[in-house]
Amino acid sequence: EPEVTQTPSHQVTQMGQEVILRCVPISNHLYFYWYRQILGQKVEFLVSFYNNEISEKSEIFDDQFSVERPDGSNFTLKIRSTKLEDSAMYFCASSDRGRTAEAFFGQGTRLTVV
Amino acid sequence: DAKTTQPPSMDCAEGRAANLPCNHSTISGNEYVYWYRQIHSQGPQYIIHGLKNNETNEMASLIITEDRKSSTLILPHATLRDTAVYYCIAVTSGTYKYIFGTGTRLKVLA
Repeated sequence: EPEVTQTPSHQVTQMGQEVILRCVPISNHLYFYWYRQILGQKVEFLVSFYNNEISEKSEIFDDQFSVERPDGSNFTLKIRSTKLEDSAMYFCASSDRGRTAEAFFGQGTRLTVV
Repeated sequence: DAKTTQPPSMDCAEGRAANLPCNHSTISGNEYVYWYRQIHSQGPQYIIHGLKNNETNEMASLIITEDRKSSTLILPHATLRDTAVYYCIAVTSGTYKYIFGTGTRLKVLA
């Protein structure tokens, strides 16, 4: 069964450092998303991406965040200067706006900012 | 997107049907009801979705009331592996921005 894969599974970084979280969406999917979940809190939408541009973003997704699809298979989330409050589980998801329009989520990257 | 309301927790005996309710009284005509679940801190897993008709797949059934103000997710024969947080989400057609609430923590008991 096709799945969304995320790397690394756990990333520890120092405050102020840049971090890139990587995702390989399901191959025939066209829409890509990032969500995050701070420990013990709700899953929060960050951004959606289609046709090489951001289609929707939340107020969390400020100038410190950026997304990119550098090639035909990867989808990345970059945090330019990490803060302690960026520590969270980050989930990538993808969907195909076909008959079955659900989003498939990866297993997440746990980001710890120290 | 319409707000959904779910009970914070439920227990279900293994092998029995788990019926998880969701209230979405302000849902609009172009909003779908999606159900996801999250096991521990894994990525949310899609279960089922519907607009106004009842739906069934290999995982579950979704019963939507005629007025669309509430729905019930039914896991017909719950197993221990179904222990998870279940989220009911109202999603506007054409967008995939899911607004997750706190969900229902289902515990399946042996």
